[in-house]
Amino acid sequence: AQSVTQPDIHITVSEGASLELRCNYSYGATPYLFWYVQSPGQGLQLLLKYFSGDTLVQGIKGFEAEFKRSQSSFNLRKPSVHWSDAAEYFCAVGSYNAGNNRKLIWGLGTSLAVNP
Amino acid sequence: EAGVTQFPSHSVIEKGQTVTLRCDPISGHDNLYWYRRVMGKEIKFLLHFVKESKQDESGMPNNRFLAERTGGTYSTLKVQPAELEDSGVYFCASSPRQATYEQYFGPGTRLTVT
Repeated sequence: AQSVTQPDIHITVSEGASLELRCNYSYGATPYLFWYVQSPGQGLQLLLKYFSGDTLVQGIKGFEAEFKRSQSSFNLRKPSVHWSDAAEYFCAVGSYNAGNNRKLIWGLGTSLAVNP
Repeated sequence: EAGVTQFPSHSVIEKGQTVTLRCDPISGHDNLYWYRRVMGKEIKFLLHFVKESKQDESGMPNNRFLAERTGGTYSTLKVQPAELEDSGVYFCASSPRQATYEQYFGPGTRLTVT
């Protein structure tokens, strides 16, 4: 079955420190992969996506993610975290079936706190 | 360009009552999705509209949930009668016709059933 695992429920980092949020997926075909962020009181915002091509993808707000097929991973990184990055981060995989029905399958999310 | 909007932002109802959630997608987006996040669980797909037609409703929990999208514009999700386990955040998303995975999300409706 298709699934997404985010092993870290909660992470705390200091402002200016580097960040890596882990995401592992289980999907039979070539995956479409996404990272979304939800800031307090806001909707889910797409940070970046991977469909094909270069395995290192750049997103908004200085985030990047690397697709590693051998590890079934799509980890999110940022070299220097800002206090405004405190939010909940979701990894998702795009799924479609024989009926060409498409949907997103989500991880549990990682809540990021940033210490000043 | 206005984003996806959802109404209400919060709703608190008693078990057995009815609640209707509304979603207004981005203008021109044919695809509209409903997702739900129950506390402590992952976000789960509920259903997908293409214009006014239900493309995929495999995620709908049971027949207490009814979704409509009149005229292919806004959508409503009605829960009748509500149960305690229906509590959670209901997200709506929309995407253009040819970019199904480019989903833009609304802020969600937090539903609490007491």
